[in-house]
Amino acid sequence: EPEVTQTPSHQVTQMGQEVILRCVPISNHLYFYWYRQILGQKVEFLVSFYNNEISEKSEIFDDQFSVERPDGSNFTLKIRSTKLEDSAMYFCASSEAPLTGNTEAFFGQGTRLTVV
Amino acid sequence: RKEVEQDPGPFNVPEGATVAFNCTYSNSASQSFFWYRQDCRKEPKLLMSVYSSGNEDGRFTAQLNRASQYISLLIRDSKLSDSATYLCVVNPENTGFQKLVFGTGTRLLVSP
Repeated sequence: EPEVTQTPSHQVTQMGQEVILRCVPISNHLYFYWYRQILGQKVEFLVSFYNNEISEKSEIFDDQFSVERPDGSNFTLKIRSTKLEDSAMYFCASSEAPLTGNTEAFFGQGTRLTVV
Repeated sequence: RKEVEQDPGPFNVPEGATVAFNCTYSNSASQSFFWYRQDCRKEPKLLMSVYSSGNEDGRFTAQLNRASQYISLLIRDSKLSDSATYLCVVNPENTGFQKLVFGTGTRLLVSP
């Protein structure tokens, strides 16, 4: 069964450092997303990406964050100058169509980011 | 008012029990509704979409009441493997269909 894969599974970084979280979406999917989940809290939308550009972003996704699709398979989330409050599980997701009706968003296993 | 609101639980039920979860959403223009399941420290996985006429998938039944902005999930004949957090998820119509809004989830514990 095709799946979204994320690396690394766990990343520990010092406050102020930059991190890049990597994702390989399902190969025939065209829509890509990043979500995050702070421990004990709900899953929160960060950004959606389609046709090589951001289609929507949340208030959380400020100038500290950026996304990129550097080649035909990878989709990355860069967090500059990390803060303690960036510690969370970051989920990448992809879908073959916009998220209406029957369309499922497939989530990767997540990258647990710990900022110390 | 929260965009998607759920009772966090936990709901503790014995195997074989029937359990129901409810969810309310604030955006009356919302068009798409889902129940996702999340196991501890794992990714959310789609359990089922929710349609206006209500829909069933095996032991799971989902219903939508647009007038009350209310979604429900019924699990019959609970199994130990149903223990998880159930996430009510809405795609608000006014976001261009590119965003899912999650509730905080309802935790279910099924015991032998």
